[in-house]
Amino acid sequence: EVQLVESGGVLVQPGGSLRLSCAASGFNFSSYAMSWVRQAPGKGLEWVSGISGSGGITYYVDSVKGRFTISRDNSKNTLYLQMHSLRAEDTAIYYCAKVLGIGPTLTTPFDCWGQGTLVTVSS
Amino acid sequence: QSALTQPASVSGSPGQSITISCTGTSSDVARYNYVSWYQQHPGKAPKLMIYDVSNRSSGVSNRFSGSKSGNTASLIISGLQVEDEADYYCSSFTSSTTLVFGTGTKVSVL
Repeated sequence: EVQLVESGGVLVQPGGSLRLSCAASGFNFSSYAMSWVRQAPGKGLEWVSGISGSGGITYYVDSVKGRFTISRDNSKNTLYLQMHSLRAEDTAIYYCAKVLGIGPTLTTPFDCWGQGTLVTVSS
Repeated sequence: QSALTQPASVSGSPGQSITISCTGTSSDVARYNYVSWYQQHPGKAPKLMIYDVSNRSSGVSNRFSGSKSGNTASLIISGLQVEDEADYYCSSFTSSTTLVFGTGTKVSVL
């Protein structure tokens, strides 16, 4: 069974840093592109970042470029999102998502999502 | 990159058909056939329903279908059922090499 489990979400002060993790199981992790998608409380979905299966190609939404870094450790079947200079508007549930099939990072839809981890940025 | 535009809410009676629109631009929906639709029940993770404009995800009822015309994609739910009550989001690949989601539509079954 495919499973994605996020962790690392906490309350952090504005300007702070945080690293989220997503532990994957049930599939050949290194073969699949992955993404992070967030959802602010009571709001819609926002794609944040994506990474190819090898980890060699990464993509970001403009609002997090230069502040967030996506990476993966295929030996540990784990996806990461390193977040710096956090702002109140980064407050959200962060989901990791796996793409359907072995396809390109951003043109292949997400067929499996984790349960999400809540990041709260507040003083 | 602005979010794709969806109606805030759509409602229908059991058995009826409803259509949810998703309006983008020449840089996303109109340019690519990489439009997906996700269903999200309260407190749950999203679920893939439709991808590549009109392909149903594995296990999804054939009551759900998708289409596209110009810069507007549509999700059609036929034979509306109580369990279809949820939030629905479209998404599209963009020419900026990013993904953009729609604003979301709350479907209510009256």
